[in-house]
Amino acid sequence: KQEVTQIPAALSVPEGENLVLNCSFTDSAIYNLQWFRQDPGKGLTSLLLIQSSQREQTSGRLNASLDKSSGRSTLYIAASQPGDSATYLCAVRKTLSYNTDKLIFGTGTRLQVFP
Amino acid sequence: EAGVAQSPRYKIIEKRQSVAFWCNPISGHATLYWYQQILGQGPKLLIQFQNNGVVDDSQLPKDRFSAERLKGVDSTLKIQPAKLEDSAVYLCATGQRSYNSPLHFGNGTRLTVT
Repeated sequence: KQEVTQIPAALSVPEGENLVLNCSFTDSAIYNLQWFRQDPGKGLTSLLLIQSSQREQTSGRLNASLDKSSGRSTLYIAASQPGDSATYLCAVRKTLSYNTDKLIFGTGTRLQVFP
Repeated sequence: EAGVAQSPRYKIIEKRQSVAFWCNPISGHATLYWYQQILGQGPKLLIQFQNNGVVDDSQLPKDRFSAERLKGVDSTLKIQPAKLEDSAVYLCATGQRSYNSPLHFGNGTRLTVT
């Protein structure tokens, strides 16, 4: 059974810091891994998607890495800003059959960036 | 492109009442998922549609939950009768047929059962 864990559960940092969010998964047979952002009372916004054959993806100040063999992914946020405050969720995608897949989520890291 | 639309945004009902949620996917997205997110937890899959057919409902409590996707477009999720533990945010996500493409989520419906 696939389990996804995110550490830390919560993080509070001053503006301008570079930070790393961690995601680990128990079953390395994944199709891809996706990082999401969730603002309070809102749905999920896709940030980055890494295919299982890729090592990393970058978008602006965000960089996500994937080490499938060790079951780990990290989300690196450079020069954090108060607007980055949100909950960050990672999710692994497993294919169960030719037309069935499942996105399995971690419990998230709640990030607060203060001025 | 327009995002995934969900309604209502909030719903408060008493236990044993029924409730329905609606989702309109991004145009052209063949796959549609309903997720349940309890406060402080990650979303958990309830049901997956491919066009208008159910491909995975193994996590759906079928004694009280039902879902349909008419003509492979809009979808509704119903709970009847509701229990206190059903209080959660219900998220709809849609995606293209290819697993290489990311999933797009709606803003969700926050259900409170009293």
